[in-house]
Amino acid sequence: AQTVTQSQPEMSVQEAETVTLSCTYDTSESDYYLFWYKQPPSRQMILVIRQEAYKQQNATENRFSVNFQKAAKSFSLKISDSQLGDAAMYFCALPFNISSGSARQLTFGSGTQLTVLP
Amino acid sequence: DARVTQTPRHKVTEMGQEVTMRCQPILGHNTVFWYRQTMMQGLELLAYFRNRAPLDDSGMPKDRFSAEMPDATLATLKIQPSEPRDSAVYFCASGSPGGTNEKLFFGSGTQLSVL
Repeated sequence: AQTVTQSQPEMSVQEAETVTLSCTYDTSESDYYLFWYKQPPSRQMILVIRQEAYKQQNATENRFSVNFQKAAKSFSLKISDSQLGDAAMYFCALPFNISSGSARQLTFGSGTQLTVLP
Repeated sequence: DARVTQTPRHKVTEMGQEVTMRCQPILGHNTVFWYRQTMMQGLELLAYFRNRAPLDDSGMPKDRFSAEMPDATLATLKIQPSEPRDSAVYFCASGSPGGTNEKLFFGSGTQLSVL
């Protein structure tokens, strides 16, 4: 069974500072993707960044970057120059095969609520 | 911008009433997922469709929940009869065709309150 663990229910960061959100996972697959989704108060689930497991290089999207440690099964999200609009719940997610067909669905972690302090 | 549209955004109903939630996936997407989000359980998969066919609904209470895709532009999730424990946010998500659909696009969800 696949699992995704986010051990930090809440985090806070000062505006313009950097914060790192942790995620560990377990999977038997060798090739997979990992995602970070952001859920602001509007409830919309927004894809922040995606990492392909076979790639050595850590993914980067503007102020968002990941630290992917495949052997350790760790996938942390770093937010640089934090902005008030970054305040949201952040979910780490891992796709896995649904039993029927070739479909894949996402297993989500329990989330980390990020507060950005002005 | 293309997006997944869910209606209604909020629904308050009394126990025993029927609830229908609707989802319009992104045009051209051939996979549709229904997720339920609660504080206790987090995000749980309820049902999954590919090319309008239900492929997995093992996460859904069969006695009261049903999910359908009458056409490629509409997915529905119905609860009959509703119970207070069904109170949650229900998300629809659609995935792009081909590949393995890891990248999902979510709607804004339906906040359901069953009194």
